[in-house]
Amino acid sequence: GEDVEQSLFLSVREGDSSVINCTYTDSSSTYLYWYKQEPGAGLQLLTYIFSNMDMKQDQRLTVLLNKKDKHLSLRIADTQTGDSAIYFCAEKDLDTGRRALTFGSGTRLQVQP
Amino acid sequence: DVKVTQSSRYLVKRTGEKVFLECVQDMDHENMFWYRQDPGLGLRLIYFSYDVKMKEKGDIPEGYSVSREKKERFSLILESASTNQTSMYLCASSTGFSNQPQHFGDGTRLSIL
Repeated sequence: GEDVEQSLFLSVREGDSSVINCTYTDSSSTYLYWYKQEPGAGLQLLTYIFSNMDMKQDQRLTVLLNKKDKHLSLRIADTQTGDSAIYFCAEKDLDTGRRALTFGSGTRLQVQP
Repeated sequence: DVKVTQSSRYLVKRTGEKVFLECVQDMDHENMFWYRQDPGLGLRLIYFSYDVKMKEKGDIPEGYSVSREKKERFSLILESASTNQTSMYLCASSTGFSNQPQHFGDGTRLSIL
């Protein structure tokens, strides 16, 4: 079955880089997403990557995909206090035909001034 | 920009009541989804719909039903609310294309007393 796992908590200092990690199930054809949830709000799409890519960069965000280890990471450069939120990794496995996403439990990022 | 609107941000109901949560999207999306979010569990899929009047059970459909009479509107119904349905409920929508992400509403925090 599908399973997406994340660590629950990460604390960094303002200005440092943050790296949030995720592991996913084995699939030859999958989309992997990163969402951000601020307190009391819904989920905001940050970025996504297809499983035939190794890396994607978008301003301060860098996504790295290690297909061999089934490992996905989100790096936030120059982390700011406004980046404090819960970050969700999600998978859409095209091989199963499942239309919905499978989410990890979320990583709470705390940015200390 | 895609807009997914959930009718209530906060809702308080009593045990045994029939509860309706409404969601509207403005981008003519084929797919609509209802998730519930609980601490440490991430998001779990309750039901989804891929067309008007079409629906499929998600991972935790027990105690819930849905209605999709118009393409833009997807309703979640708690037939007889119970305290274990106290949660954050998130609606999402997406196009029918497999590479397109889901877009989320701001959520409804439902408390059952």
